[in-house]
Amino acid sequence: QVRLVESGGGVIQPGRSLRLSCVASGFSFGTSVMHWVRQAPGKGLEWVAATSYDETTKHYVDSVKGRFTISRDNSKNTLFLQMNSLRAADTAVYFCTRFGPKFDDLGHNYFFDQWGQGTLVVVSS
Amino acid sequence: EIVMTQSPATLSVSPGARATLSCRASHYVSRNLAWYQQRPGQAPRLLIYGATTRATGVPDRFSASGSGTDFALTISSLQSEDSAIYYCQQYHDWPPLTFGGGTKVDIK
Repeated sequence: QVRLVESGGGVIQPGRSLRLSCVASGFSFGTSVMHWVRQAPGKGLEWVAATSYDETTKHYVDSVKGRFTISRDNSKNTLFLQMNSLRAADTAVYFCTRFGPKFDDLGHNYFFDQWGQGTLVVVSS
Repeated sequence: EIVMTQSPATLSVSPGARATLSCRASHYVSRNLAWYQQRPGQAPRLLIYGATTRATGVPDRFSASGSGTDFALTISSLQSEDSAIYYCQQYHDWPPLTFGGGTKVDIK
């Protein structure tokens, strides 16, 4: 059974740093493309960052480039999001998610088949 | 960036009725589209991928159609547990992966 458990959220002042973690179990974490998706209070879903299985390729939404860093430790089945220079606009629930092993008819699997429950980050003075 | 637009923002329907939700992409996305259901206080759940394929365990009252730029999710015979926000997501051209703003389905 696939499980993704996020932690590390909390209340943090603007300009400070926070590191989120996501521990994965029940699947081959070390071969999976992993992501962070966030949801501001009462708002929709926003993809934040992605990392390939070996960290050779990483992508970020423009609003976090240069401030957030996604990383992983495959030996510990753990995904991280280092968040620096936090802003009020970064306040959100952060979900850990993955591209799963199923492919569509076009041979693509760039959709999120499993999600964690999320960890809340509140940036406020 | 491909912008996804969902309509309506809110849909209020009676139990047992049918609901049709729309999703439009600002650019061609072929059939590289997924739908998610998010119940209050929960994480999103994958419903549909490849524009029309139901994910594992999704009831067959959920169906989807479309390709190119216009897509629809239909929930036939609505049940109380279908009360949720539904999001579409394109994966044709990324980064970034982009979601629609969501449609809230209320069961009257």
